[in-house]
Amino acid sequence: GAGVSQSPSNKVTEKGKDVELRCDPISGHTALYWYRQSLGQGLEFLIYFQGNSAPDKSGLPSDRFSAERTGGSVSTLTIQRTQQEDSAVYLCASSSRTDSYGYTFGSGTRLTVV
Amino acid sequence: GDSVTQMEGPVTLSEEAFLTINCTYTATGYPSLFWYVQYPGEGLQLLLKATKADDKGSNKGFEATYRKETTSFHLEKGSVQVSDSAVYFCALNEGKLIFGQGTTLQVKP
Repeated sequence: GAGVSQSPSNKVTEKGKDVELRCDPISGHTALYWYRQSLGQGLEFLIYFQGNSAPDKSGLPSDRFSAERTGGSVSTLTIQRTQQEDSAVYLCASSSRTDSYGYTFGSGTRLTVV
Repeated sequence: GDSVTQMEGPVTLSEEAFLTINCTYTATGYPSLFWYVQYPGEGLQLLLKATKADDKGSNKGFEATYRKETTSFHLEKGSVQVSDSAVYFCALNEGKLIFGQGTTLQVKP
């Protein structure tokens, strides 16, 4: 596609429920990144995919967070048993092998846990 | 580990004023450096970048020079406009982008 697409754009969920956030990167971009943007916390790295593998998942805050990528394209970030502190904007970015210096970001999913 | 430190905001300026947003970094290697901008209600956009020491990145009247000796990448603009009001993020890339906390710029007419 023309840009990085994320869905849903907004998600309100009850504490304890599981949520899935989707990212559709730019076609042909092999690298995909998830970040979290919280008030007062800036942009926090979560996980990086190169193709379908995740060489760096060091930023996942707990084992309630997981992510997968299939077909070298779409990625899903899953948060199990959501907590109020998970409320944030979750951003996805992608980059091509030859343009690894700069990323293209999606508009994000705003997650609110009530 | 690698990190980026930006000046705290908000920064409030009058239109046509000179802008400087300070950014310093800590890195074990020689990372590429970036400024990203987030306009109200929009996603992050790459503003400019520099990939090696003494490189100057520039775009839309904004400039930043990669200073290895002071480990800095300060953002400057000679004359800001109301439309420049946004949050600005400094970042480095060593395998992944590491961001500063962001600096909010408010430009008043």
